[in-house]
Amino acid sequence: LAKTTQPISMDSYEGQEVNITCSHNNIATNDYITWYQQFPSQGPRFIIQGYKTKVTNEVASLFIPADRKSSTLSLPRVSLSDTAVYYCLVGFNTGFQKLVFGTGTRLLVSP
Amino acid sequence: EAGVTQFPSHSVIEKGQTVTLRCDPISGHDNLYWYRRVMGKEIKFLLHFVKESKQDESGMPNNRFLAERTGGTYSTLKVQPAELEDSGVYFCASSQDISYNSPLHFGNGTRLTVT
Repeated sequence: LAKTTQPISMDSYEGQEVNITCSHNNIATNDYITWYQQFPSQGPRFIIQGYKTKVTNEVASLFIPADRKSSTLSLPRVSLSDTAVYYCLVGFNTGFQKLVFGTGTRLLVSP
Repeated sequence: EAGVTQFPSHSVIEKGQTVTLRCDPISGHDNLYWYRRVMGKEIKFLLHFVKESKQDESGMPNNRFLAERTGGTYSTLKVQPAELEDSGVYFCASSQDISYNSPLHFGNGTRLTVT
């Protein structure tokens, strides 16, 4: 299963766009890239998933370059409630979903 | 739909005692997973059920941990006897199938403290 590397923490202000980049140099051909969000005292919550190029949903966008060795989660116009830990995971499509969580990125949004 | 529910939300027990954690997956989800975060460390996979069968239990730390899913509905994770290093947050997750477009839905976890 591919190992991921993310920044440990990031700071932002309300209304700004936040981009969190994840490195996954040994991603396999069949692997998908998935991002989860976790608030204190809650379980991780699925945000977005992609294989290549760009994926957008109602809460975020995911940018994946052609070589797929990295990915960027983009949160448009963050609010205080976006303060959380964000996890990048790869190796989703392995036949069963044995997710491998890294340390995640702790995002702090200030007023 | 109701989400994944876990009980209890917190448990404090003494070393050597037994604790049983329960997870109710989303109705209709055949796949059920247990994960845990030991204090200060990453969330780690424990095991995966498909219905009542253990698909993968490679993450179970030792034989003091026993997971069951009788009837393929709810699951229990028993720790017997508990040790100090078992303290942490135990998460349960479920998914409808194992395809790439079936993300895991997590419960809010059970915080276990062994004193």
